[in-house]
Amino acid sequence: GAVVSQHPSWVICKSGTSVKIECRSLDFQATTMFWYRQFPKQSLMLMATSNEGSKATYEQGVEKDKFLINHASLTLSTLTVTSAHPEDSSFYICSARDQGTGPWPQHFGDGTRLSIL
Amino acid sequence: SQQGEEDPQALSIQEGENATMNCSYKTSINNLQWYRQNSGRGLVHLILIRSNEREKHSGRLRVTLDTSKKSSSLLITASRAADTASYFCATDAGGTYKYIFGTGTRLKVLA
Repeated sequence: GAVVSQHPSWVICKSGTSVKIECRSLDFQATTMFWYRQFPKQSLMLMATSNEGSKATYEQGVEKDKFLINHASLTLSTLTVTSAHPEDSSFYICSARDQGTGPWPQHFGDGTRLSIL
Repeated sequence: SQQGEEDPQALSIQEGENATMNCSYKTSINNLQWYRQNSGRGLVHLILIRSNEREKHSGRLRVTLDTSKKSSSLLITASRAADTASYFCATDAGGTYKYIFGTGTRLKVLA
């Protein structure tokens, strides 16, 4: 089945550091990927829609300059948390839709746990 | 804002019992999906039900959809300890490709 690889799975870094998270579709092409944020014991909150070859679409309240998204190819989207601070600590999950089979279901990565000290 | 509300928030049952989780949503949908998340992991797709379907089965899973009430339920029959996880419903936010997730139900199945 379709696999989405997310890397790294876990990162700890100092406040002020920028952190890049990668989301790759391994066996399908994804023109659209999605980035979510999840706080402990809470649901997933959609942050932005990543569109291959064009600008990402951010949800209301999400800072574009804080969370930079690049979708340079049909199999890779990256989320960069710039100048990260402790309040950015969270579980970040990406998903991708297979353009060959349609928008549903989306395939999810295993998430990245980000801890900012 | 989140579209889906799920109840109960947490559910603890004995192995072999059935578990029922409910999801309510706010706007029209094309489909509704249920996902499972083990602690600290990504989501696994369980089942998709389209807006013109009322019930769907997959193994020990049974999903119902009532579009007039904007609600869905997930039934897991003969539960196992390995079913312990969080379960989320997700809707396609009024026909877009974006998913809006419910608040989730944390299921614990005791052996």
